Amino acid sequence: QKEVEQNSGPLSVPEGAIASLNCTYSDRGSQSFFWYRQYSGKSPELIMSIYSNGDKEDGRFTAQLNKASQYVSLLIRDSQPSDSATYLCAVKGNSNYQLIWGAGTKLIIKP
Amino acid sequence: EPEVTQTPSHQVTQMGQEVILRCVPISNHLYFYWYRQILGQKVEFLVSFYNNEISEKSEIFDDQFSVERPDGSNFTLKIRSTKLEDSAMYFCASMGWDRLNTEAFFGQGTRLTVV
Repeated sequence: QKEVEQNSGPLSVPEGAIASLNCTYSDRGSQSFFWYRQYSGKSPELIMSIYSNGDKEDGRFTAQLNKASQYVSLLIRDSQPSDSATYLCAVKGNSNYQLIWGAGTKLIIKP
Repeated sequence: EPEVTQTPSHQVTQMGQEVILRCVPISNHLYFYWYRQILGQKVEFLVSFYNNEISEKSEIFDDQFSVERPDGSNFTLKIRSTKLEDSAMYFCASMGWDRLNTEAFFGQGTRLTVV
């Protein structure tokens, strides 16, 4: 059974601080990794994709991938109240096309 | 910016009725998906569709469900004889396919309420 695990939270972070979200996955053959943001009642919105080990930065967001440890993380710098949402980690293998989803981490940015 | 569009945004139906959820994927994308999310739960994969046929489906996607791409733009999910437990948000997604871009983009969803 392919699984993606996330801490459900809530994770509470002061405004302006760094929020760190973590995700582990079970399928060692996974090739593509995604972070989506989901506001309550809305659809998932793609924030970052990462395919190779190391860091990938896009504005205030940094995704980190460690395939040996089967671990992917998302850092949000200078957190804003508008970043308050549920962050979903999704993983895709090499031989199939469906996304396997974590349950999401609820992030709360406190002003 | 291209986007995936879904209609209707909210559908209320009586148990046992058939519903059709509609999606217009991003025009140059090749892979299409339906996912669902029961309130408070994780996103669940239902089915993927490529080259006018189902490429993968989950255990959830039983004979009650079917998908179709009746023309060059629309992608539909039909649920026959709806049950109370089919109440959920249904998301359509589409994905281009090349070695550099395997990102899936989601529509705004259809909230299905079965009463």
